[in-house]
Amino acid sequence: AQKITQTQPGMFVQEKEAVTLDCTYDTSDPSYGLFWYKQPSSGEMIFLIYQGSYDQQNATEGRYSLNFQKARKSANLVISASQLGDSAMYFCAMREPFSGGYNKLIFGAGTRLAVHP
Amino acid sequence: DSGVTQTPKHLITATGQRVTLRCSPRSGDLSVYWYQQSLDQGLQFLIQYYNGEERAKGNILERFSAQQFPDLHSELNLSSLELGDSALYFCASSVGSDSPYEEQYFGPGTRLTVT
Repeated sequence: AQKITQTQPGMFVQEKEAVTLDCTYDTSDPSYGLFWYKQPSSGEMIFLIYQGSYDQQNATEGRYSLNFQKARKSANLVISASQLGDSAMYFCAMREPFSGGYNKLIFGAGTRLAVHP
Repeated sequence: DSGVTQTPKHLITATGQRVTLRCSPRSGDLSVYWYQQSLDQGLQFLIQYYNGEERAKGNILERFSAQQFPDLHSELNLSSLELGDSALYFCASSVGSDSPYEEQYFGPGTRLTVT
């Protein structure tokens, strides 16, 4: 079975600094996608960034980038120039082969990020 | 705003009762997924519908059922509610069904409290 591991239950960072949130995954499937979601205290799940297993370059979306190291099976999220509004729970996720397709997302336990002024 | 809508935002009900959660996917999305987020279990996949048909079933209890209607909105029915069913229930949508590369967009969630 596939698995997502986020080893940092909590992280804090000073405003305007960069922070890296770790994610490792375990799969024997050559085709997979990795996703990061943000969950602020209000509860909604916000899609941030995506990396495909065959992508040659690391994904970037504004201040978010993904440090994808395929051989190490890691997909760390890098947030540059942290802002107070980045304080939230962050989840790493992967689509898992299930029931004939890649229907469901499996999630890590999450990392709670606190940005300090 | 993801474009996925869910109603109601909050629901408080008593044990043994039945509730219905509603979800409208993003325009153009054919797949709807339901997830449950609880403190002890984290985020768990419940069920997926694609264009009106059930596509995949995860950790969904027999007391729970879902359907997707011709206009593609979906409803999750929870019956004989127990205290342990208290959770945040998310609906997500995507265009297709089976790709490992396609992101799912989540609605704001329905927070269910069973007393």
